[in-house]
Amino acid sequence: ETGVTQTPRHLVMGMTNKKSLKCEQHLGHNAMYWYKQSAKKPLELMFVYSLEERVENNSVPSRFSPECPNSSHLFLHLHTLQPEDSALYLCASSQDRGNNYGYTFGSGTRLTVV
Amino acid sequence: RKEVEQDPGPFNVPEGATVAFNCTYSNSASQSFFWYRQDCRKEPKLLMSVYSSGNEDGRFTAQLNRASQYISLLIRDSKLSDSATYLCVVTTDSWGKFQFGAGTQVVVTP
Repeated sequence: ETGVTQTPRHLVMGMTNKKSLKCEQHLGHNAMYWYKQSAKKPLELMFVYSLEERVENNSVPSRFSPECPNSSHLFLHLHTLQPEDSALYLCASSQDRGNNYGYTFGSGTRLTVV
Repeated sequence: RKEVEQDPGPFNVPEGATVAFNCTYSNSASQSFFWYRQDCRKEPKLLMSVYSSGNEDGRFTAQLNRASQYISLLIRDSKLSDSATYLCVVTTDSWGKFQFGAGTQVVVTP
């Protein structure tokens, strides 16, 4: 496999459920990101991991919990979400800060909270 | 003021025509600039970086104007497959500081 792979592609969950989103990158990058994209809005940065250490946490509610066990894998654990959390969740990776070659995105998980 | 602003469009462009649009940014310390393309319900994909002297990639030309703090994208000889939302990205040399615009929608019509 190449690039950035996200699973699942689609997820419907109730407000009391617990689920996890998974991201895997095969590019040898050393940084990974979670973004949220809501309709007609700019991408919102949620979390940044560099070499498995969290370097940025953009005031995201605690119902979203990231985990980065190694430089190739990133998870987003979800619990007691709200309907307004329904969005496209995108994982991305980059080499260093990405200033030279940008980010590579996964195909996203479209989340619907009911 | 938003950090990165784009005209949402849509820009309706006849096939074969030229279309151009801008993106303005507020942080004068911004260092790197990119254009991404996002198809409907898909992930953003890097289209091209934007260099200080301007750069071209086939039918696409990107320009940077630091004095007025905007970047531009021009598409020549538009193809139906160019229909997408084009996202402007501006960043400083800090972790996770990629600022995305909300995108400009381009619709190329036969």
